[in-house]
Amino acid sequence: GESVGLHLPTLSVQEGDNSIINCAYSNSASDYFIWYKQESGKGPQFIIDIRSNMDKRQGQRVTVLLNKTVKHLSLQIAATQPGDSAVYFCAETPTGANSKLTFGKGITLSVRP
Amino acid sequence: NAGVTQTPKFRILKIGQSMTLQCTQDMNHNYMYWYRQDPGMGLKLIYYSVGAGITDKGEVPNGYNVSRSTTEDFPLRLELAAPSQTSVYFCASSAPGTDTQYFGPGTRLTVL
Repeated sequence: GESVGLHLPTLSVQEGDNSIINCAYSNSASDYFIWYKQESGKGPQFIIDIRSNMDKRQGQRVTVLLNKTVKHLSLQIAATQPGDSAVYFCAETPTGANSKLTFGKGITLSVRP
Repeated sequence: NAGVTQTPKFRILKIGQSMTLQCTQDMNHNYMYWYRQDPGMGLKLIYYSVGAGITDKGEVPNGYNVSRSTTEDFPLRLELAAPSQTSVYFCASSAPGTDTQYFGPGTRLTVL
């Protein structure tokens, strides 16, 4: 979807708690999904990805869940740390699109000490 | 590997000036991309390339040009800078069939 306005949604969590960041997509043909983390002044950094033949994938402290029925993607971060504070973007692409990603709205994660 | 590198990190241009933003990757990726990111917004695709000698427009190509003479380099050219081109520009690359894009550190451009 397109971003509107100048302010990103913000999620504030207590250090040590689990974080859940949600993303909705609209393209039914999308079959590859990816989460990026962007720290202030830096480029987006790959976190985790998932293909449409899966509904869950786990990494180190992160889990991505995909619900194709409702076109919903989520990123779960376990035991959130101050270093997790950043803007998080989801992105999607269908097969055959030359890997052109469509980025969703960013969400700012703020970790309270 | 250095990954994706971009130069310069910062630049201020006057209206009407031109400049080239440089992007180089050392991962032998065929696919390369240019994005712009405006404050508080997501990334918008300007141009992309699937290999040397091949380029194509993205979502917001107006005011920009690209070339791809080698696999490693994908420069972005602004011919007549306008205030609307004030943004942060990111270059990315990916290997065919993987879809995962790897990003450079960005170039912050201000047009006054």
